[in-house]
Amino acid sequence: NAGVMQNPRHLVRRRGQEARLRCSPMKGHSHVYWYRQLPEEGLKFMVYLQKENIIDESGMPKERFSAEFPKEGPSILRIQQVVRGDSAAYFCASSPRTGSSYEQYFGPGTRLTVT
Amino acid sequence: GESVGLHLPTLSVQEGDNSIINCAYSNSASDYFIWYKQESGKGPQFIIDIRSNMDKRQGQRVTVLLNKTVKHLSLQIAATQPGDSAVYFCADAQGTYKYIFGTGTRLKVLA
Repeated sequence: NAGVMQNPRHLVRRRGQEARLRCSPMKGHSHVYWYRQLPEEGLKFMVYLQKENIIDESGMPKERFSAEFPKEGPSILRIQQVVRGDSAAYFCASSPRTGSSYEQYFGPGTRLTVT
Repeated sequence: GESVGLHLPTLSVQEGDNSIINCAYSNSASDYFIWYKQESGKGPQFIIDIRSNMDKRQGQRVTVLLNKTVKHLSLQIAATQPGDSAVYFCADAQGTYKYIFGTGTRLKVLA
């Protein structure tokens, strides 16, 4: 039973380019969450999606960042015109149901470096 | 704002000893807490969770204690092994899906 999958694992982009991060949730999971982690810090919630719906994007910057979870295929976190401050590890998590007491399973993360 | 914090950024323990990692939270309405282990270059891995109607929960070599009076929880690892070396995070669900993570404690196991 494969866990949460993310790709690429490492991504290097120059300032101004676009970054696309992909996340495939665990089989049977329809709830996807994206978190960002800066070095030596904890994870910070960005966005919560269900299939074809953004439920909560309160933690995501309003400009340059967008997320989707189409009916078919992985969830995508897209960062346009990247800046050095976007360098971080981005983690995706999934759960079979949502709510305050349902465990979220995390993927291995994508480490974005902006040069 | 609401926060989850850890008292010690780095904890060094001798192999075979017990480890205790502490975490404080500030939201008295929080009802679900999770401990995650994160090894270098990997994603957070679930260790154990506890709901607010419990004071203690035990797993394999791990125990989580919850003190709601002082808003404090701890993770105890028995007979610490080299493979336990990692950063440990407590997370507070705060009644929603938005987990609030602490800054983490780095556990170093000395041979």
